[in-house]
Amino acid sequence: DVKVTQSSRYLVKRTGEKVFLECVQDMDHENMFWYRQDPGLGLRLIYFSYDVKMKEKGDIPEGYSVSREKKERFSLILESASTNQTSMYLCASRVGQDNQPQHFGDGTRLSIL
Amino acid sequence: AQSVTQLDSQVPVFEEAPVELRCNYSSSVSVYLFWYVQYPNQGLQLLLKYLSGSTLVKGINGFEAEFNKSQTSFHLRKPSVHISDTAEYFCAVSDDGQNFVFGPGTRLSVLP
Repeated sequence: DVKVTQSSRYLVKRTGEKVFLECVQDMDHENMFWYRQDPGLGLRLIYFSYDVKMKEKGDIPEGYSVSREKKERFSLILESASTNQTSMYLCASRVGQDNQPQHFGDGTRLSIL
Repeated sequence: AQSVTQLDSQVPVFEEAPVELRCNYSSSVSVYLFWYVQYPNQGLQLLLKYLSGSTLVKGINGFEAEFNKSQTSFHLRKPSVHISDTAEYFCAVSDDGQNFVFGPGTRLSVLP
């Protein structure tokens, strides 16, 4: 089974802090994604990566950056956290072939105070 | 750009009753369609997918979905739900097999 592991289930940070959310997958998947999930809005794509060192902006990249130095790890960075970034963050990975589904981690519930 | 609508934000239903969760997408020449389920405090799990072929797709846990091209719909059904089916369900669509758009989700509550 594919395993996508997010380093923290719950995280509380202060406004202005730099926050790192880590995601690791163990199936050698090429593609990795970061979403945020908010009630009534479903999943919104923040950033994605087709392969190592590659990154593409999703629908809501403002206030975020990412890093993919190794194939198995995709990090989401909040450069200066703000209260409107309080949300559930979901990481996903998939094989880099057409029509293959995404596999998700259990999510990180981030609260910015 | 593709968009996905899930008209029902919440669906309460009694145990052992049938359920249908609706999904509509904006028109496209061809699409690939997915349903995911999210149990409390967990990530999303794939329930089923439609790529091509038969329009009736069977998935895990007794769920099935029917692709209707003329209606641009991909509704999810189960003939008899269990308490354990209580979860949030997301429909997702892809035009190109690489980029995915998710609907806002439908929260299914199964009542005893």
